[in-house]
Amino acid sequence: QPVLTQPTSLSASPGASARFTCTLRSGINVGTYRIYWYQQKPGSLPRYLLRYKSDSDKQQGSGVPSRFSGSKDASTNAGLLLISGLQSEDEADYYCAIWYSSTVVFGGGTKLTVL
Amino acid sequence: QVQLVQSGAEVKKPGASVKVSCKASGYTFTGYYMHWVRQAPGQGLEWMGRINPNSGGTNYAQKFQGRVTMTRDTSISTAYMELSRLRSDDTAVYYCARETLIAAAENWGQGTLVTVSS
Repeated sequence: QPVLTQPTSLSASPGASARFTCTLRSGINVGTYRIYWYQQKPGSLPRYLLRYKSDSDKQQGSGVPSRFSGSKDASTNAGLLLISGLQSEDEADYYCAIWYSSTVVFGGGTKLTVL
Repeated sequence: QVQLVQSGAEVKKPGASVKVSCKASGYTFTGYYMHWVRQAPGQGLEWMGRINPNSGGTNYAQKFQGRVTMTRDTSISTAYMELSRLRSDDTAVYYCARETLIAAAENWGQGTLVTVSS
């Protein structure tokens, strides 16, 4: 079972909100980790969006709008990326990552379609 | 501003090695770890390892142990990633990325396409 699991795709309408999940493998407690989120538009390099561990330990990337935010769902052991007020330009792949056993682990990514 | 400029695309035969460079500017090169991440066509991001440019110390993903070597030349603020015994499934875009206090990989190079083909 992978360390991080992300749904392969997500669709939402312009102006709506999108909720991305990044589920940690059983036995790896989401509460312990900073979850990093990256956006990658087609043909572009990844862009750091934000990190979230708790409301007191979070960091927005430079120039990243406040409509991008992080959270956690302890009941499902998942990190969350929330995007409000979806725009067509938000269409991209979104990856989560954590530091795990002195290595960086990426989730498989979720493709967001805005339609 | 922080810039990471990588070397150009490479085409290699199976079994060969490739060495990709990443020239840093806009910050103190020795002050921040440099990571290497790759992305095969149509696939996700895969972490390969990182190097401490100050000490030269490295840690590699288990998958690449024995095949990858990360080095640096502090005199020219450049990090290198060499991958040996190339296979067709090593065809990917290879990125360098700077680690900061904010993120494991905050700033990224533009990527280097390595194609392995006979």
